[in-house]
Amino acid sequence: QQQVKQSPQSLIVQKGGISIINCAYENTAFDYFPWYQQFPGKGPALLIAIRPDVSEKKEGRFTISFNKSAKQFSLHIMDSQPGDSATYFCAATYSGGSNYKLTFGKGTLLTVNP
Amino acid sequence: GAVVSQHPSRVICKSGTSVKIECRSLDFQATTMFWYRQFPKQSLMLMATSNEGSKATYEQGVEKDKFLINHASLTLSTLTVTSAHPEDSSFYICSGARVPDTQYFGPGTRLTVL
Repeated sequence: QQQVKQSPQSLIVQKGGISIINCAYENTAFDYFPWYQQFPGKGPALLIAIRPDVSEKKEGRFTISFNKSAKQFSLHIMDSQPGDSATYFCAATYSGGSNYKLTFGKGTLLTVNP
Repeated sequence: GAVVSQHPSRVICKSGTSVKIECRSLDFQATTMFWYRQFPKQSLMLMATSNEGSKATYEQGVEKDKFLINHASLTLSTLTVTSAHPEDSSFYICSGARVPDTQYFGPGTRLTVL
């Protein structure tokens, strides 16, 4: 069974702090790792994604760190803001497959206190 | 770019009726579209994958006769919940794949079956 294990399940951070969410995968064929942000009652929005040829990708306050040998990747949110309070899902897929299915983590509920 | 819309955003229906949900990719052609179901505080559960012009591929445990999927064009997929029952009440989300591995999600449809 292909799995992506995500932790923590919930996270509380003070405004201005760093939020860190971790994911681990099992299938070494995975080669695309997106993160999605979901607000209550809304669909997930693509936040940032990385491929295994780089160890880090940064977009604004969001950074993905990728460790291929450990089969782990993480999302870092710098200077966390109350508006970042949402559920974050990591995912993984194999781009060489025929149907691009995403395997999702179970999600992390992030609360940023003002 | 990469916007996906869903209609309706909310629907309430009586038990035994059928409900159709539309998913449209507004600014790109989605050769593959996906339908997910999400229960409160849970991750996304893939129901089926559909390719334009061909039959949908359903995940194990998803009744294809109950959840009818049509992918008539590169920008439109529909999900029809037939003979809906209260246990079908959920948040249904579609996504479209633009490049081989990137999925863009719609805003979701909240279905309530009375």
